[in-house]
Amino acid sequence: DAKTTQPPSMDCAEGRAANLPCNHSTISGNEYVYWYRQIHSQGPQYIIHGLKNNETNEMASLIITEDRKSSTLILPHATLRDTAVYYCIVRGRQSDSWGKFQFGAGTQVVVTP
Amino acid sequence: GAGVSQTPSNKVTEKGKYVELRCDPISGHTALYWYRQSLGQGPEFLIYFQGTGAADDSGLPNDRFFAVRPEGSVSTLKIQRTERGDSAVYLCASSPRTGGRDTQYFGPGTRLTVL
Repeated sequence: DAKTTQPPSMDCAEGRAANLPCNHSTISGNEYVYWYRQIHSQGPQYIIHGLKNNETNEMASLIITEDRKSSTLILPHATLRDTAVYYCIVRGRQSDSWGKFQFGAGTQVVVTP
Repeated sequence: GAGVSQTPSNKVTEKGKYVELRCDPISGHTALYWYRQSLGQGPEFLIYFQGTGAADDSGLPNDRFFAVRPEGSVSTLKIQRTERGDSAVYLCASSPRTGGRDTQYFGPGTRLTVL
């Protein structure tokens, strides 16, 4: 699977949009971009995923560049409960199965009042 | 509906002891995954099952670690002769099947402490 690069931390003001970048320059054509977040002492929580089109759901929007080498997760109106580590993961097919996620260190997002 | 559950939530054991960690996946999910997370790091893949069989066990660190899923539902991660370095949060996830667009849903984890 392609590796991802994320900033180690970022701050965001409550009520403002949070834009979380992720670089995945070695991504290949059949690899999906997933975003998860992990609030302290909880298991990772699914946010959103996409292949090449931009995606939006009730939690966030995912913007993938046309060359697919980077993406941005957008939390439109950050709240204090959005404080968490955010993981960007590229998931591809290995042998006959998709299988595991390979997590990096993620971005620690702190939302401040 | 019910999510992935893991028991116990915390386990403290002594070096050299045997431990079992249990995962109850979401009903109907055929794929089940185990990960391990050390303090300050992202989860690290251990093993995943498609049905009853281990489809990929490449992440198991050594032969002290073993996992089973005999009926294709509940899974047990077994660690023999525990070492202090095994201390971590063990996470379980399940998904309806495996595929590029299939989402894994994680449980709360079991925090294992080896003294």
